[in-house]
Amino acid sequence: DGGITQSPKYLFRKEGQNVTLSCEQNLNHDAMYWYRQDPGQGLRLIYYSQIVNDFQKGDIAEGYSVSREKKESFPLTVTSAQKNPTAFYLCASSPAAPSQPQHFGDGTRLSIL
Amino acid sequence: DAKTTQPPSMDCAEGRAANLPCNHSTISGNEYVYWYRQIHSQGPQYIIHGLKNNETNEMASLIITEDRKSSTLILPHATLRDTAVYYCIVRVATAGGTSYGKLTFGQGTILTVHP
Repeated sequence: DGGITQSPKYLFRKEGQNVTLSCEQNLNHDAMYWYRQDPGQGLRLIYYSQIVNDFQKGDIAEGYSVSREKKESFPLTVTSAQKNPTAFYLCASSPAAPSQPQHFGDGTRLSIL
Repeated sequence: DAKTTQPPSMDCAEGRAANLPCNHSTISGNEYVYWYRQIHSQGPQYIIHGLKNNETNEMASLIITEDRKSSTLILPHATLRDTAVYYCIVRVATAGGTSYGKLTFGQGTILTVHP
């Protein structure tokens, strides 16, 4: 079945440590996105990529980095510069046409030890 | 992107239709209406979207008023598994621009389906 796979489901980070969240899709979608969700809040866009080897900052990119070397993969690195990284991270993908809906993975919950 | 207004919560009896309203009075001509739902600790699930015409798929129906200032999501036969937070989102559907791709999720409507 086609879909979006995020791993791991739960992740723990020590202070000062970088961690990378994986996002893989087999939907042949051109565009991919990373969102952050805090308890009781809506989603906020971190980064997005419309095509391989290109990505753009979203609303809250500080402290995060991404790469898009393959169409299927869009990993997110939470760096030590992100002061409040504890959150639920969601990856999404969509076809290139702007009106097409985004489809989401099941998320990674990141916590600070 | 236009802002949306939804009631914070609604109840529905199992087997009955659930009608979830959304107000988007400042919607522009090139903005689509999207509906998603989110069950606790899962990613949002896409339900349906539309521009002007009413839409129906295997999950739900979307009714958009003629002036496009409001819409209603209809779950025809609600089940207990439809209990979730439902989000109505209005989004520009043209390429480019700083808001390209961004889905702005508000607080949504907590739908509780009871036996």
